Amino acid sequence: AQSVSQHNHHVILSEAASLELGCNYSYGGTVNLFWYVQYPGQHLQLLLKYFSGDPLVKGIKGFEAEFIKSKFSFNLRKPSVQWSDTAEYFCAVIQYTGRRALTFGSGTRLQVQP
Amino acid sequence: DAGVIQSPRHEVTEMGQEVTLRCKPISGHNSLFWYRQTMMRGLELLIYFNNNVPIDDSGMPEDRFSAKMPNASFSTLKIQPSEPRDSAVYFCASSPGLAGDNEQFFGPGTRLTVL
Repeated sequence: AQSVSQHNHHVILSEAASLELGCNYSYGGTVNLFWYVQYPGQHLQLLLKYFSGDPLVKGIKGFEAEFIKSKFSFNLRKPSVQWSDTAEYFCAVIQYTGRRALTFGSGTRLQVQP
Repeated sequence: DAGVIQSPRHEVTEMGQEVTLRCKPISGHNSLFWYRQTMMRGLELLIYFNNNVPIDDSGMPEDRFSAKMPNASFSTLKIQPSEPRDSAVYFCASSPGLAGDNEQFFGPGTRLTVL
């Protein structure tokens, strides 16, 4: 069965620090990839997505992610975090064939200290 | 657009009671998803519908859970009888097209507490 791993469960950074959150998935076929964010008390919102094309994807609020097919990875990055980026971040993957259901990682809780 | 609408936002009930959660997807979206979020298990897909038809319900935990989508603008998730381990936040999401082809838009969730 397809799985998504987010190895960083809780990350604490100071403002202006750089961020990289890891995401690895297990499925070997064609996939669509997503990063969602959940701010405290709010519902999930899409940060960015990759379907095809340029493996470096830019999303909202200065976030970007790079799809590396050979490593089955889709890491999220931001050069300089802000206090307002404090949230939980979820990587999600869907197989392009077969069970077309979104599989989420366990999430990474990011805490940015002012 | 009002986005995905869920009701109630909070539900507290006693073990053994029936619970019904409701969802109104974004107009024009033909895929609808029910997720459950807990600290222990994270976000889990329970079931999804495409054009009102259940496509994949393999995530439904047991027979106590059932979901319906009688029309394109309404879906329910029912738990009967409820148990304390069902306590979680239940999210509904919708998207245009098939699952995974497009972004899923999430509702605010229903926080269920079963005492």
